[in-house]
Amino acid sequence: AQKVTQAQTEISVVEKEDVTLDCVYETRDTTYYLFWYKQPPSGELVFLIRRNSFDEQNEISGRYSWNFQKSTSSFNFTITASQVVDSAVYFCALSEGNTGFQKLVFGTGTRLLVSP
Amino acid sequence: ETGVTQSPTHLIKTRGQQVTLRCSSQSGHNTVSWYQQALGQGPQFIFQYYREEENGRGNFPPRFSGLQFPNYSSELNVNALELDDSALYLCASSLAVGTGYEQYFGPGTRLTVT
Repeated sequence: AQKVTQAQTEISVVEKEDVTLDCVYETRDTTYYLFWYKQPPSGELVFLIRRNSFDEQNEISGRYSWNFQKSTSSFNFTITASQVVDSAVYFCALSEGNTGFQKLVFGTGTRLLVSP
Repeated sequence: ETGVTQSPTHLIKTRGQQVTLRCSSQSGHNTVSWYQQALGQGPQFIFQYYREEENGRGNFPPRFSGLQFPNYSSELNVNALELDDSALYLCASSLAVGTGYEQYFGPGTRLTVT
């Protein structure tokens, strides 16, 4: 069965601090996809990144970076020099590759509070 | 490019009633999925529609049903509402039905059942 664990319920940082959000996943499939979404107070989930199970390269996009390690089944997300606008709930999600349809399994989310 | 839209924004219903939520997919997207997000939880997959047919379903009872129309818009219907159905209902569309495609979400419909 597939499962995503985000052990950090809430993180509070001061602006300009770096912060890492942890994500650990479980799946029996060898083909799968990992995602991060941001949910601001407005409620809409905003897509941030997708990674497939065959691509372990880390990715950087501006202040955001992602570290994918199959050996530890982790897909962690780091925000460098955090800003108040980064305050939101962040979800990690998993989709298995052999179901014939896309079912995203989400973690319970990590609420990030960035104060000025 | 128009994003995913949902209506209504908020809805209050009484236990036992029926409700219909609507979703318009992003331009060019042919696959629509519905999720239920209870307060403080991650979204839970309800079902997915492709070519006007349900092609995948999560662990939800049959009183949750849906439709997809030729223009790829979709409806979620819930019969015999229960208090636990109170949640944010999110619609997502994707470019195709494959498992690796990003899903783009709408703003959601907040349903309150009293």
